[in-house]
Amino acid sequence: NAGVMQNPRHLVRRRGQEARLRCSPMKGHSHVYWYRQLPEEGLKFMVYLQKENIIDESGMPKERFSAEFPKEGPSILRIQQVVRGDSAAYFCASSDRGQGNEQFFGPGTRLTVL
Amino acid sequence: GENVEQHPSTLSVQEGDSAVIKCTYSDSASNYFPWYKQELGKRPQLIIDIRSNVGEKKDQRIAVTLNKTAKHFSLHITETQPEDSAVYFCAASRGSGTYKYIFGTGTRLKVLA
Repeated sequence: NAGVMQNPRHLVRRRGQEARLRCSPMKGHSHVYWYRQLPEEGLKFMVYLQKENIIDESGMPKERFSAEFPKEGPSILRIQQVVRGDSAAYFCASSDRGQGNEQFFGPGTRLTVL
Repeated sequence: GENVEQHPSTLSVQEGDSAVIKCTYSDSASNYFPWYKQELGKRPQLIIDIRSNVGEKKDQRIAVTLNKTAKHFSLHITETQPEDSAVYFCAASRGSGTYKYIFGTGTRLKVLA
């Protein structure tokens, strides 16, 4: 039973480029969460999605960031026109139900913006 | 707004001693409180969790206590071992609407051999 998969594991972008981060939840899980972890800091919630729906995007910057979780395929976190401050580890987590259930984390994507 | 405070930020203990990490949450609608362990460069992994209808939960050397009235919950690790060295995060989550985790700022635990 494969866990949460994320790719790429490491991503290097130059300022102004686009970054696409992918997350495949655990089999049977329909809830996906994205968190950002800046170096030496805690995890900050960005967005919570269910299949084809954004449930809560209160932690996601209004500009340049978007997320989707289509009916088929992985969840995608997209960052347009990246800036140096976007450099961080981006973790995806999934759960099979929302309320009170463990979120299983992926290995993260480490984004470096040059 | 929603906030989880975590203390201490760093903790050093001798091998075999106990370690206690404390968290306070602000959202009274929170009803699920997981604790995650994160080793350097790795993903966070759940070590124990507690729901609001329970005051205490134990799993071998790890225990968590919850005081709903005071909005406090704590992680207790007994008989610490060098492999317990990591960063520990507490989190709080609601039981309805959005199930996002609000994480504490983390505690870097160092167990000295």
